[in-house]
Amino acid sequence: EIVMTQSPATLSVSPGERATLSCRASQSVSSNLAWYQQKPGQAPRLLIYGASTRATGIPARFSGSGSGTEFTLTISSLQSEDFAVYYCQQYNNWPLYTFGQGTKLEIK
Amino acid sequence: QVQLVESGGGVVQPGRSLRLSCAASGFTFSSYGMHWVRQAPGKGLEWVAVISYDGSNKYYADSVKGRFTISRDNSKNTLYLQMNSLRAEDTAVYYCAKDRIVGATPISNDAFDIWGQGTMVTVSS
Repeated sequence: EIVMTQSPATLSVSPGERATLSCRASQSVSSNLAWYQQKPGQAPRLLIYGASTRATGIPARFSGSGSGTEFTLTISSLQSEDFAVYYCQQYNNWPLYTFGQGTKLEIK
Repeated sequence: QVQLVESGGGVVQPGRSLRLSCAASGFTFSSYGMHWVRQAPGKGLEWVAVISYDGSNKYYADSVKGRFTISRDNSKNTLYLQMNSLRAEDTAVYYCAKDRIVGATPISNDAFDIWGQGTMVTVSS
């Protein structure tokens, strides 16, 4: 099983600032990585797939990068609605899809 | 409007069974693989099972293999999860989710682009 490790567990950032979230895979997943956003009481929402492609309707302030084992989600200028929990997911080693443990992005 | 709506959750005793449903609308259900993903209270996401667009291929997480069965009825646009021999550690919100790409075989290696709102399953005596 591929283990996905996200850091930090909690990130405190002020509105308008940049946030950088990290995700590391225990072995290469190529570019088969997605990022999801989850707000309290809601279902996850797909933000990024293929490590760097924004899903339909996702604002340009969200960007993804990386390949192999190291990945980054960047939110360029935080809006109030961006404070949430973010999960990375690998789908390279299907059907054993695995998620990271999540990064909580909170208001500083 | 693309939508997934889960139902069937509730409180059940350990060792008993429960069947979850996921009603799909707004897209060609029979063309997409479908997943179940769960989230224990206060915890992260755990993939549970996947079924191919035509129902011919099914895979499970080790934690549920032999106890859970995923199925679909394309004539009713509905996905199911039959859960038997339930344990306390199966307590979670269960989400159904749709493959991003169409017609993958045997199973998609892509992200999940649409999720339902979830249904809560509590296993407790």
